[in-house]
Formats: sequence, structure tokens, C-alpha cells
Amino acid sequence: EVQLVESGGGLVKPGGSLRLSCTASGFTFSTYTLDWVRQAPGKGLEWVASISSSSTYIHYADSVKGRFTVSRDNAKNSLYLQMNSLSAEDTAVYYCFRYDYWGQGSLVTVSS
Amino acid sequence: DIVMTQTPLSLPVTPGEPASISCRSSQSLLDRDDGDTYLDWYLQKPGQSPQLLIYTLSYRASGVPDRFSGSGSDTDFSLNISRVEAEDVGVYYCMQRMEYPLTFGGGTKVEIK
Repeated sequence: EVQLVESGGGLVKPGGSLRLSCTASGFTFSTYTLDWVRQAPGKGLEWVASISSSSTYIHYADSVKGRFTVSRDNAKNSLYLQMNSLSAEDTAVYYCFRYDYWGQGSLVTVSS
Repeated sequence: DIVMTQTPLSLPVTPGEPASISCRSSQSLLDRDDGDTYLDWYLQKPGQSPQLLIYTLSYRASGVPDRFSGSGSDTDFSLNISRVEAEDVGVYYCMQRMEYPLTFGGGTKVEIK
């Protein structure tokens, strides 16, 4: 069974940093492109970042470019999202996403 | 960026009746190299993560009931439910993965009348 489990969310002050992790199981992690998608409270879905299977191709939404960094460790079946210079607009549930499977999400709240 | 526009915003439905959601893209989602149309449909049930219903225009994801179907071409797409059931309530999203940035429609909230 494919599973994607996010962790690392929480409350952070504006300007602060946070690192999300996504641990995968049930499939050959190293062969899949993976993405981060977020959902602000009561809002729709917004794609954030994508990383190809061997980290060769990386893409970011304009809204996070220069502040967020996506990475992966295929040996650990793990995906990461390093988030810097956070603002209230980054408050959202962050989902690890394989396009056909989603994690349960990790809530990031940016507030003073 | 490819803009995805969904209609309607809200859709009250009667169990047993059909329902349809439309999605329009600002650019063609047909990849002329491989012939596939990169349009997917997701359902987010209340309090849950989104789940894949339809991928690459018209292929049902594993475990998805056959009352769900996807159709369309180029820039105009539809998700059809042949007979709505109470468990189908939630917000439906279309998403294009033709190119980055991936973009979603704004969502259609389906609720029982």
C-alpha cells in the first residue's frame, strides 16, 4: 500500500523557517517525481514545488521561489521542503503528492 | 501559466440523478507527441486529503466507481457522475499537468439537496 506521511509542521513566527518531511512507503520511491501542494484554510489547492526522481529537474511556484527548497533522499525514501522567510500567506496544510496519491497533510501556521 | 476555470462553483445534487462539472484550460492540454491529454480530476471529501478520480483525461483511478467518467478535448473538459450517491459530496478539482507550474481549478463543491 502506497503511503505518504508528512511531518514537521507547526507554528512559526513571520520571517522564520521550517522544514517539512514526507516519508514514503509501498512503492519504489526513487523512480517517481514528487511534489508539494498546499491548501490555505478554506481555500483551494496550490501547487508549490516538484522534484524529479533523481533530483535533476526541480520546479517552484513563483510564490515560493527563492524562499523554499525542495529536496529528496532516495536512500531514506524521504522528500523535504525547506521553507524560509515565512509569512502569513504561507499558512496552509502542506501535502506531499505523487499525483495519484496524497499524504494526510501537515499544517504550517505562520503567526506572531 | 495555464489557467484552469471550473464551473459551477457549487452544485446541489439529488441522489440517483446525474451530475456534471466543467473545466476549461487557457491552453491546450493535448501533448501532440504522445497523444495524451494531461487533465486530472480529484475529489476532496470533507476533512480528508484529495483523492485521484480520473487521470489523463478519462482513465479511472484504481478503486473509483464506474459512475465517474471524464471526457473532453484540448481545452474543454467534463467530469460526469452518472448517478450521484451520498458519499460523492465534497469539493472536486481539475488539475493540469501538461506543464509547470501545475495548476488547479478553483473547485466545485458538490452537496446533496
